[in-house]
Amino acid sequence: EVQLLQSGGGLIRPGGSLRLSCAASGFTFGGDAMSWVRQAPGKGLEWVSTIGGSGSTTYYADSVKGRFTISRDISKNTLYLQMSSLSAEDTAVYYCAKEGVDFYLDYWGQGTLVTVSS
Amino acid sequence: DIVLTQSPATLSLSPGERATLSCRASQSITSYLAWYQQKPGQAPRLLIYDASYRATGVPARFSGSGSGTDFTLTISSLEPEDFAVYYCQQRSHLCSFGQGTKLEIK
Repeated sequence: EVQLLQSGGGLIRPGGSLRLSCAASGFTFGGDAMSWVRQAPGKGLEWVSTIGGSGSTTYYADSVKGRFTISRDISKNTLYLQMSSLSAEDTAVYYCAKEGVDFYLDYWGQGTLVTVSS
Repeated sequence: DIVLTQSPATLSLSPGERATLSCRASQSITSYLAWYQQKPGQAPRLLIYDASYRATGVPARFSGSGSGTDFTLTISSLEPEDFAVYYCQQRSHLCSFGQGTKLEIK
């Protein structure tokens, strides 16, 4: 059974940094691309970033480029999102998701809330 | 950037009725479109990929169609558990989502 267990959210002050984690199980972690998607309170889904199966290719939304870094540790079966220079506009529930056939998001984590506020 | 526009924003229907949701892309995305369902407090769930293929475990009452710039998600006969928010997503160029259609009980 595929499982994605997220951790690392919380309250952070503007300008601060935070790292989210997503522990994967039930599939070959190094074989599938992984993504982060966020959802601001009461709003729709926004794609944030994607990393290839090997970790060598990464993609970012313009809204986070230069501030967020996606990475994966295949030895730990864990996906990360390092976030820096956070602002109130980054407040959202962040989801990690596994990419399946044709790179669509077939399994999702439970989500973790990041609140940026002073 | 590819922009996806969903319509209507809200759709009010009764159980047993047919639902038709639309998604229009700002440029051709061939068939690289998916549909997701999201219920309150839950992560999204993949329903349809490549415009018309049902994901594993998705009931046959859900169907997708379209290509190029215009796509449709159809729910043939609404069940109580189908009332939720639906998002389209494109993977033709990076990734983006539509703003969502809320399907509510009339």
